[in-house]
Amino acid sequence: EVQLVESGGGLVQPGGSLRLSCTASGLTFSSFWMHWVRQDPAKGLVWVSRIKGDGSYIKYTDSVKGRFTISRDNAKNTLYLQMNSLRAEDTAVYYCVGDSGIYTFDYWGQGTLVIVSS
Amino acid sequence: QSALTQPASVSGSPGQSITISCTGTSSDVGGYNYVSWYQHHPGKAPKLMIFGVGNRPSGVSNRFSGSKSDNTASLTISGLQAEDEADYYCSSYTSSTPFVFGTGTKVTVL
Repeated sequence: EVQLVESGGGLVQPGGSLRLSCTASGLTFSSFWMHWVRQDPAKGLVWVSRIKGDGSYIKYTDSVKGRFTISRDNAKNTLYLQMNSLRAEDTAVYYCVGDSGIYTFDYWGQGTLVIVSS
Repeated sequence: QSALTQPASVSGSPGQSITISCTGTSSDVGGYNYVSWYQHHPGKAPKLMIFGVGNRPSGVSNRFSGSKSDNTASLTISGLQAEDEADYYCSSYTSSTPFVFGTGTKVTVL
């Protein structure tokens, strides 16, 4: 059974930083593209970033470029999202998602809540 | 990139069939056969139900089917069951973002 478990969410002040982690099991992690997708009540589900299995390709949505960094450690089966200069509009549940390479979000974690507020 | 448009809610009685629409543009839904559907019970991990417009992953009930016509994709749930009550989201590959999701539809089983 595939499991994706996110951690690292919490309450942070505007301008602060957080690092999200996602530990994967039950799949050949290095073979999967991995994504971060966030959900908030106002905008619904929004794709945030993706990284290829070997880490050689990375892309971000415009609103987080220059502030967020996606990375992975295939030896640890772990995906990361370093979030800097956080804004109120970054408040959301962040999901770690695995993609087998057919432009589909095959597996999802349960999400971790990030709240940006003073 | 604007979200794909879905109805806010759809309801049906047990055993009935319902259809959820997902409307985009020629830059997303209409331009690629990479439309997927996800079932989300709040508090749980979303689950892939349909990929590539009309393909079911292993383990997903054949009561779920997908199709597409021009810029609108559809998810049909036949033989509606109580366990189908959830939120449903479509997604599509796009020429820009590169992924966009639908606004979400709450399915209620009466």
